[in-house]
Amino acid sequence: SQQGEEDPQALSIQEGENATMNCSYKTSINNLQWYRQNSGRGLVHLILIRSNEREKHSGRLRVTLDTSKKSSSLLITASRAADTASYFCATVPTSYGNNRLAFGKGNQVVVIP
Amino acid sequence: DAGVIQSPRHEVTEMGQEVTLRCKPISGHDYLFWYRQTMMRGLELLIYFNNNVPIDDSGMPEDRFSAKMPNASFSTLKIQPSEPRDSAVYFCASNQGAGGRSEQFFGPGTRLTVL
Repeated sequence: SQQGEEDPQALSIQEGENATMNCSYKTSINNLQWYRQNSGRGLVHLILIRSNEREKHSGRLRVTLDTSKKSSSLLITASRAADTASYFCATVPTSYGNNRLAFGKGNQVVVIP
Repeated sequence: DAGVIQSPRHEVTEMGQEVTLRCKPISGHDYLFWYRQTMMRGLELLIYFNNNVPIDDSGMPEDRFSAKMPNASFSTLKIQPSEPRDSAVYFCASNQGAGGRSEQFFGPGTRLTVL
């Protein structure tokens, strides 16, 4: 089944640096969402970008969406130790209507103080 | 609002036993989702409800799994009989409107260990 797929890399960076994660998907989507999961916790929604949008910002987060390449990126600027978490992209495939998400496997980010 | 509430937070049981996981969605939310998370398979959607009605249970792995939503404020996921391969973290999530049109709010999860 279609789902978002992050680049399967763990990322380790120094505090203050930028962190970039990528996500690719296979079919047409209604929107794409990014979630964060801290160790031992549930997922927390970060940002939603619709299929007709190309870029979106929220605080230190910047998300881009390229529907022609079926890919998205999440940039965290000026990272902090508290940004250490797993980050998931989730797509809403048009074949699913608007009712459900398909999650990728997640991308672990470690920010070293 | 207290957010999505799940209980228990941790469950350890022996193979063959019945396991019941519980979820209370955010008040006013009309969609409820059950997910399972493992290292091998990531986050999988098991079933979701709209206005207490099961809409898509295609992710339920076997007949040993069943889910109910008797009212807008309560849902259960039952595994009977449980097996070691059911060990995972089970999340409940809810939202309002249409399941994919807006953010989903996740509970803290139930970590299930089947020995």
